[in-house]
Amino acid sequence: GAVVSQHPSWVICKSGTSVKIECRSLDFQATTMFWYRQFPKQSLMLMATSNEGSKATYEQGVEKDKFLINHASLTLSTLTVTSAHPEDSSFYICTAGLSTDTQYFGPGTRLTVL
Amino acid sequence: AQRVTQPEKLLSVFKGAPVELKCNYSYSGSPELFWYVQYSRQRLQLLLRHISRESIKGFTADLNKGETSFHLKKPFAQEEDSAMYYCALRSLGGYNKLIFGAGTRLAVHP
Repeated sequence: GAVVSQHPSWVICKSGTSVKIECRSLDFQATTMFWYRQFPKQSLMLMATSNEGSKATYEQGVEKDKFLINHASLTLSTLTVTSAHPEDSSFYICTAGLSTDTQYFGPGTRLTVL
Repeated sequence: AQRVTQPEKLLSVFKGAPVELKCNYSYSGSPELFWYVQYSRQRLQLLLRHISRESIKGFTADLNKGETSFHLKKPFAQEEDSAMYYCALRSLGGYNKLIFGAGTRLAVHP
């Protein structure tokens, strides 16, 4: 089956630094990937749609300059949290799909900003 | 506005009891509804989707457009069903993005 990986699985950083999270589709090509954020005991909130070869589409309320998304190839999308602050601490999940039908989830990345 | 509502944060039942996880939605148009499941320490995975009309692991869900509901049901719960369940709606606005409900934790006790 289709596999989506994320790296790192967890990261701790100091306030003010930037953190990059990678999302890879391991055995298929994905023109579109999605980035979600999940707070403890809460649901997944869509942050942005990552499109290969073009700019990401951000959801209302998500700062595009804060959360930089780059979809450089059909198998890789990156999310960079710039100038991270403690309120950015969360679980970040990406998804990728073979087609419009099914999305496969990455294992998630837990970010803790001190 | 597009929204998915799961009114119960926790549903606790005994093994062998029937289970119904509630999901209501608001959507202007014809939605596609899904149920995703997340077992302990695992990633989310698709459980079932309404257009497939299939039963997975004994679970079924019927889309009721009149009541705007997509409740997940299983006649006899098993301990291995204990997990977090998310109802999701797919927006047809171009990019296949999913809108999730808050999730319901199902706890099946022996």
